[in-house]
Amino acid sequence: GAVVSQHPSWVICKSGTSVKIECRSLDFQATTMFWYRQFPKQSLMLMATSNEGSKATYEQGVEKDKFLINHASLTLSTLTVTSAHPEDSSFYICSARREVTLEQFFGPGTRLTVL
Amino acid sequence: LAKTTQPISMDSYEGQEVNITCSHNNIATNDYITWYQQFPSQGPRFIIQGYKTKVTNEVASLFIPADRKSSTLSLPRVSLSDTAVYYCLVASYNNNDMRFGAGTRLTVKP
Repeated sequence: GAVVSQHPSWVICKSGTSVKIECRSLDFQATTMFWYRQFPKQSLMLMATSNEGSKATYEQGVEKDKFLINHASLTLSTLTVTSAHPEDSSFYICSARREVTLEQFFGPGTRLTVL
Repeated sequence: LAKTTQPISMDSYEGQEVNITCSHNNIATNDYITWYQQFPSQGPRFIIQGYKTKVTNEVASLFIPADRKSSTLSLPRVSLSDTAVYYCLVASYNNNDMRFGAGTRLTVKP
């Protein structure tokens, strides 16, 4: 089956620093990737849609200047949390849509803890 | 307005068949239905996808009535390892509205 990886799987950083999370589709090309955030015991919240070669589309209430998304190739999208604060601590999950079948495959998630 | 509505939680016992229903009254013509399973601290895992009638794979069946306003995920003979949160996602091939509902927390008891 299709595989999506995320790196790192967990990260701890100090308040005010920036953190980059990578999402890769390992065995298929994805022109569209999605970024989600999930708090404990809650559902996944869609943050943005990442489109290869163009600007990301952000959901209402998500600050585009704080959560920078870059989708520079058909297999890689990155999410950078800029000037992270403790309230940004969460589980970040990406997904990639395989264009042939339009199935959506999820990465394993990245646990971000901001001290 | 939520696109999908599911029971918040369900309990079952090992070996039983479990049916989880998702309501999507405003489903559009181009929308398809996908079910995912999620364990704690992991990304969701694809279970099954369908557009209408019945779809079956090696782990589950998906039943979609003619009006497509709901769908039912059927898990045959569940085991303890099926304890997880199950999400139905209604989305279109033509747009990127990949927002999840609240999901159903299934607990399988011995």
